[in-house]
Amino acid sequence: DIQMTQSPSSLSASVGDRVTITCRASQSISSYLNWYQQKPGKAPKLLIYAASSLQSGVPSRFSGSGSGTDFTLTISSLQPEDFATYYCQQSYSTLLGTFGPGTKVDIK
Amino acid sequence: QVQLQESGPGLVKPSETLSLTCAVSGYSISSGYYWGWIRQPPGKGLEWIGSIYHSGSTYYNPSLKSRVTISVDTSKNQFSLKLSSVTAADTAVYYCARLANRVPDYWGQGTLVTVSS
Repeated sequence: DIQMTQSPSSLSASVGDRVTITCRASQSISSYLNWYQQKPGKAPKLLIYAASSLQSGVPSRFSGSGSGTDFTLTISSLQPEDFATYYCQQSYSTLLGTFGPGTKVDIK
Repeated sequence: QVQLQESGPGLVKPSETLSLTCAVSGYSISSGYYWGWIRQPPGKGLEWIGSIYHSGSTYYNPSLKSRVTISVDTSKNQFSLKLSSVTAADTAVYYCARLANRVPDYWGQGTLVTVSS
C-alpha cells in the first residue's frame, strides 16, 4: 500500500502570510497527487489535482507542485476563509486513493 | 450541477450491518465515472472505503474488503454501501463521492453513523 505523510501536522499563520504544506508518498506516484480543503462540519473540497492543476473555481492564490514522492501546496497570501485542514491524496493506486493525515492551518 | 446525498440510519448496533445509499442528481451514473465511499472518524482523517463503476466493477480497501459491499442501481441513479459486523471503530462520517480518475471531485455532505448499543 502507498502511505502518505504530511508536514507540518499543524501551523499557525496570519492573514497575508505565504503558507507551504508538504506531502510525501512512500513510493513514486508520478503526478497523481491531489489537495483538498476541509472546514469543520463540511465535506472536503478539491483544490488541486494532478499535482499542479487548479480545480475550476478555486482562487489562484492556491498552487501545487512536485512529482514522484514529494509535493507541495502553497497559499500565496492567506485569507480568513483559508483557515481549515488540508489533505493530500494519491490517485496513483487503482485499488484505493490514500489520504494524508492532514495539516490544520489556524490563526496565529 | 452534480449533487450527491447520503441517506441511512444514524445509529447501528455492534455486530450488525451498516447500510447507506447515495442518491446522485445532475448526472447519470450510467454515463461514466467511478463512484465511491470515503469515511472520517470523529476528529480524525479520511479513509478510502471503495468504489464502483456503473457496470458493477468494484474496488475495495483491503483493510475493509471482507466486510464491504458496494452496489449500484442505475435505474434509481444511486449507489449503496454495506459494511457488516460493525464495531465502535466504524463510527464515522460517511461520504459518497464522484471519482474522476480516482479523484473525488464532487462530494455528498456526509452522514454520521454511530455504532452503539
